[in-house]
Amino acid sequence: AQTVTQSQPEMSVQEAETVTLSCTYDTSESDYYLFWYKQPPSRQMILVIRQEAYKQQNATENRFSVNFQKAAKSFSLKISDSQLGDAAMYFCAYRGEDDKIIFGKGTRLHILP
Amino acid sequence: NAGVTQTPKFQVLKTGQSMTLQCAQDMNHEYMSWYRQDPGMGLRLIHYSVGAGITDQGEVPNGYNVSRSTTEDFPLRLLSAAPSQTSVYFCASSYTGGANQPQHFGDGTRLSIL
Repeated sequence: AQTVTQSQPEMSVQEAETVTLSCTYDTSESDYYLFWYKQPPSRQMILVIRQEAYKQQNATENRFSVNFQKAAKSFSLKISDSQLGDAAMYFCAYRGEDDKIIFGKGTRLHILP
Repeated sequence: NAGVTQTPKFQVLKTGQSMTLQCAQDMNHEYMSWYRQDPGMGLRLIHYSVGAGITDQGEVPNGYNVSRSTTEDFPLRLLSAAPSQTSVYFCASSYTGGANQPQHFGDGTRLSIL
């Protein structure tokens, strides 16, 4: 069975600095998709970025980018120029060939003014 | 543009009571799923469905039943509520054809079992 591990329960970063959130996963599949979701205090789940496993190029969305290392089964999220609005819970998610979507336990990100 | 609608938003039950959490989407998504979110545990998949008439178990299916009689609706049933089922429940939907499609989430249901 696939698993998703986020090893950092909480992290803090100074406003305007860069922070990297870690995510590793375990799978025997070769074709899959990875996602980062953000959950602010409103509890709403918001897609941050997505990555197809067959694409070697790392996905980027404005200040958010990923470092996808397929061989190492690693999918970290980098947030540049951190803003107060980035404070939230961040979840890494895996979607496999059976369409089942598995989430990690999350990393709570604090932004220090 | 309703998206994914969950009802109710809050519910308090007594141990042993039954209830159904409703989930409806108007985007013609084939894939629908239920998660529970508990502190420190992330979102855990309860049940999911890849289309009408098809359901499958997720990571934590015990104590929950689902059915998918239409594309739009995916209700979650608690047959005999237990305090361990106190949680926030999220319903989500997406297309299955393009697996890179993100899930659309409902606003969640906060359920307390006394």
